[in-house]
Amino acid sequence: AQTVTQSQPEMSVQEAETVTLSCTYDTSESNYYLFWYKQPPSRQMILVIRQEAYKQQNATENRFSVNFQKAAKSFSLKISDSQLGDTAMYFCAFMKAVDAGGTSYGKLTFGQGTILTVHP
Amino acid sequence: GAVVSQHPSRVICKSGTSVKIECRSLDFQATTMFWYRQFPKQSLMLMATSNEGSKATYEQGVEKDKFLINHASLTLSTLTVTSAHPEDSSFYICSARARQGLGNTIYFGEGSWLTVV
Repeated sequence: AQTVTQSQPEMSVQEAETVTLSCTYDTSESNYYLFWYKQPPSRQMILVIRQEAYKQQNATENRFSVNFQKAAKSFSLKISDSQLGDTAMYFCAFMKAVDAGGTSYGKLTFGQGTILTVHP
Repeated sequence: GAVVSQHPSRVICKSGTSVKIECRSLDFQATTMFWYRQFPKQSLMLMATSNEGSKATYEQGVEKDKFLINHASLTLSTLTVTSAHPEDSSFYICSARARQGLGNTIYFGEGSWLTVV
């Protein structure tokens, strides 16, 4: 079984500054995907960024980038130039790349979440 | 883009009654759908995996007779909370995996708030 750990229950940052959210995971799988999801007060789950484990290059999406350390099983999210709209709960999530039976592919294991508040 | 719709977004029911929540993929076929439960300020916990045309697979500790899941078509999965009690009050959210052509992207519904009074 996989586990995902986010050790920062809450974080805060000033607008325009940079913040890094931590995530570690544990798995025996060699091929998998990692995600960061944003959940604003509306509760809609919004995909922020995705990383394929077989790719060494860190994924980036505009102001969002990850530091993927496969050997250390670490997957942190860096938000640059923070904006008020970034205020939300952020979840790190793990998904196996291949499911032998094919029936549970797409199952996500989530971390505990980090509440990020961006202050003006 | 692909959209997953959940209905109702909010529902209040009396203790002892049953309530049904729908999860529908609007523009793609979803072989597999997932149901999660989320308490305030907590993470999403997987309840069950719903596969079209077969029985759902429930996670450990989830009562299958209480949380009935039906995935009768490639675009619709339903979660029925039977004999609901106040402790079942929670936010329920579904996700869907596209059958083909959309890679490995998982799409989430908007979620449903259930309040049992």
